This record gives sequence, structure tokens and C-alpha cells, in this order.
Amino acid sequence: ETGVTQTPRHLVMGMTNKKSLKCEQHLGHNAMYWYKQSAKKPLELMFVYNFKEQTENNSVPSRFSPECPNSSHLFLHLHTLQPEDSALYLCASSSKTGLGNSPLHFGNGTRLTVT
Amino acid sequence: GNSVTQMEGPVTLSEEAFLTINCTYTATGYPSLFWYVQYPGEGLQLLLKATKADDKGSNKGFEATYRKETTSFHLEKGSVQVSDSAVYFCALRDSNYQLIWGAGTKLIIKP
Repeated sequence: ETGVTQTPRHLVMGMTNKKSLKCEQHLGHNAMYWYKQSAKKPLELMFVYNFKEQTENNSVPSRFSPECPNSSHLFLHLHTLQPEDSALYLCASSSKTGLGNSPLHFGNGTRLTVT
Repeated sequence: GNSVTQMEGPVTLSEEAFLTINCTYTATGYPSLFWYVQYPGEGLQLLLKATKADDKGSNKGFEATYRKETTSFHLEKGSVQVSDSAVYFCALRDSNYQLIWGAGTKLIIKP
């Protein structure tokens, strides 16, 4: 049990579908993150939320839409994706962004395949 | 800009061999340095960290020393086990508190 739970673990969707990824953390953290992990590439930070407010959006296409209703939950809404969006999507949390060296705690990821 | 460079994998070793995974960085100021590990089917987890020059981070038999003169943070372990097979990521946190990641190095340990 990592303290950060992601569902579903695997998702296959067509380019016209709409789906959502869910992340929940039980660590009392205030910051939550979405990362994209593709083979042989560094982790790509997509979005950062701090105390439910989005503090970072790294030029992510609008077909990815995050939602953070509270400090424990984070969603990634997906629509009209492209095959190159196939990747492992990782959620992470930390006690705070910006200050100190609080480590990230990751979930096990959602393996997304776009057909 | 800031960056992290890791040796390309996969690195394949026999059990009980000595491990070194190289990591070098480019950054202004005094970044903090981290090693994360990702076991198969899991997310990343922090393995060790160092926050200033000459600091040594250690955990689970792994060590890494923050070398400012060579801008390196190489990961070492004296005797690896099959259970150490994973992908290892070097990362730095820069003066803007951004985490910059290396591409990861896959380690395969054969019995």
C-alpha cells in the first residue's frame, strides 16, 4: 500500500472516447501532481495542485483536463486523445510544493493505451 | 537550463556484483539531489537523497555522494540482489523547487 491509489490500473480507449483517471492519497498531503511516463524519456510533469489550486500547467494539450476537488483527490479527464498519448500516467503527492525537500509519493500508475 | 543525465541501460549484472549507475547534472545554484526507484508494475519511490555538497545519502545498501566538483551523484551498491532489479531515476530539485528528472536506468540482476 503506497498511500497513493490510482484507478484504473489499465485503460484502453479509442480516440473519440471520454474517460477519467482517478487518484486518491491518504497521506494528509497538500500537493498533488500528474506525470506522464513514456519509454526511454524523462518523466514529464503535467499538472501541479497545491491546496486544491492549480499552480502549474506545463503546456499540456487541452485534451487533458485536470480536476482537484479536494486535497485528497485528483482526476485527469481525457477526451479525443491521440495514439502518442499512450503512456503510463503517474499521480504523486507531497506535503508541500516549493519549500523544503519533501519527497514525492507516487501511485502505481494507470497504463493508458489509445487505439 | 538545468538537466540530469544518466547512463543508458539496461545494466545487466550477476547477483552479488558491484553496482554503479552514473548520474551527472547541470544546474545553477545548489540543487538537492535524489535517487528514486521504480519496481516492475509500481510507481516511483524515493531511495535516497542529498541536500548539499559532500553529503552521502544511503538506504537499503545503496549509497550516493553529492560531488559538486564533478557535478555527479553516482549510485552504488556493494552487492546487488535479484530483488534490486528495477528502473532507477536520478533527479534534482533546483532553486525554483522544480524537480528535473533523468531518463531512468533499467537494472537487471541475474541469479
